Amino acid sequence: GENVEQHPSTLSVQEGDSAVIKCTYSDSASNYFPWYKQELGKGPQLIIDIRSNVGEKKDQRIAVTLNKTAKHFSLHITETQPEDSAVYFCAPGDDKIIFGKGTRLHILP
Amino acid sequence: SAVISQKPSRDICQRGTSLTIQCQVDSQVTMMFWYRQQPGQSLTLIATANQGSEATYESGFVIDKFPISRPNLTFSTLTVSNMSPEDSSIYLCSVPYGVADTQYFGPGTRLTVL
Repeated sequence: GENVEQHPSTLSVQEGDSAVIKCTYSDSASNYFPWYKQELGKGPQLIIDIRSNVGEKKDQRIAVTLNKTAKHFSLHITETQPEDSAVYFCAPGDDKIIFGKGTRLHILP
Repeated sequence: SAVISQKPSRDICQRGTSLTIQCQVDSQVTMMFWYRQQPGQSLTLIATANQGSEATYESGFVIDKFPISRPNLTFSTLTVSNMSPEDSSIYLCSVPYGVADTQYFGPGTRLTVL
């Protein structure tokens, strides 16, 4: 089955700086690479995703980059704001997605 | 997007009892998934709820403990049977929906077993 690893497990960045979270996976058949944001007391919400035929996707301050050869993809958040504080999960897969262990992001004032 | 609701949003139960969690989607979907999220942990897939056939369970999860119903394309239930404190978790349903099969999640059911 899919083995998913996410780094770092915790990340603190100064407000306005950038944050990068990396996800590695083992199943070369995976072709869907989403990132989810989970705030306290809520279910995960999709914030950005990418398919295997694309190397990078950007949506305002958020971007995802994919290296299918190396089997990793990363979440980039620029100009971080207090409301970016949350737990972020990668979840590579296809019909069935497997979640990484999560990264707790703290935005420091 | 798909809008998903879950009932109850939270419950406190006594050990040995059972709780049935409902998941309702505002659109017809082929697949529905049930996840468990233990305190401070990631999400673990319990099973795939199939309409018209038995659910497909992941390793470590069995039908006797987590029976699932899927009577139609918009609704599913997950029962947590013979509960113990170790079952205290958030239970979430999710569905792939749309042209890109984006995965949408319900708000979760927070279960505490005493």
